[in-house]
Amino acid sequence: EDKVVQSPLSLVVHEGDTVTLNCSYEVTNFRSLLWYKQEKKAPTFLFMLTSSGIEKKSGRLSSILDKKELFSILNITATQTGDSAVYLCALSGGSNYKLTFGKGTLLTVNP
Amino acid sequence: EAQVTQNPRYLITVTGKKLTVTCSQNMNHEYMSWYRQDPGLGLRQIYYSMNVEVTDKGDVPEGYKVSRKEKRNFPLILESPSPNQTSLYFCASSALGAGVHNEQFFGPGTRLTVL
Repeated sequence: EDKVVQSPLSLVVHEGDTVTLNCSYEVTNFRSLLWYKQEKKAPTFLFMLTSSGIEKKSGRLSSILDKKELFSILNITATQTGDSAVYLCALSGGSNYKLTFGKGTLLTVNP
Repeated sequence: EAQVTQNPRYLITVTGKKLTVTCSQNMNHEYMSWYRQDPGLGLRQIYYSMNVEVTDKGDVPEGYKVSRKEKRNFPLILESPSPNQTSLYFCASSALGAGVHNEQFFGPGTRLTVL
């Protein structure tokens, strides 16, 4: 059974700090790993990482995938209060197209 | 505008009264999925569909049914709702390319309370 574990479960930082969110996984046949941001509504897509795309960057956010060690990290530099949200990691793998989500990391950025 | 719509957005019902939550997308996506989100448990997949007439169970399918008769619609049916199905439900859709999930677009969510 596919498994996704995110850490930490919650994190409180000050504006301007850099944060690293972790996602480790177990899967029999890796397809892709996706990161989402969820504020008080539906999740919104951040990145997709695959075997052919193991590093992504968009502004202050970046993500890498380590297929050998089976983890991904999401980095946010120069955090802002608007970055406060739950960050979700999702894994697509196995013999079917199920998507397995981790429980998320609650990030709180204080002014 | 590309979007996933769900109806109703809020629903309070009683145990045993059949209900359907509709989901529709206008992006011609092959893949559609239902999730429930509960505090401390995160997002869990209920059912998904790879295309018309192709559906499969996710991690928590018990007590739910789905159908995919048209590409754009993927209703979630609760034949006999119970209080443990009180939750926030999301429908999502995505294109499938080269065997991988692309960006999933989520609907706005349906908050269901079963008394």
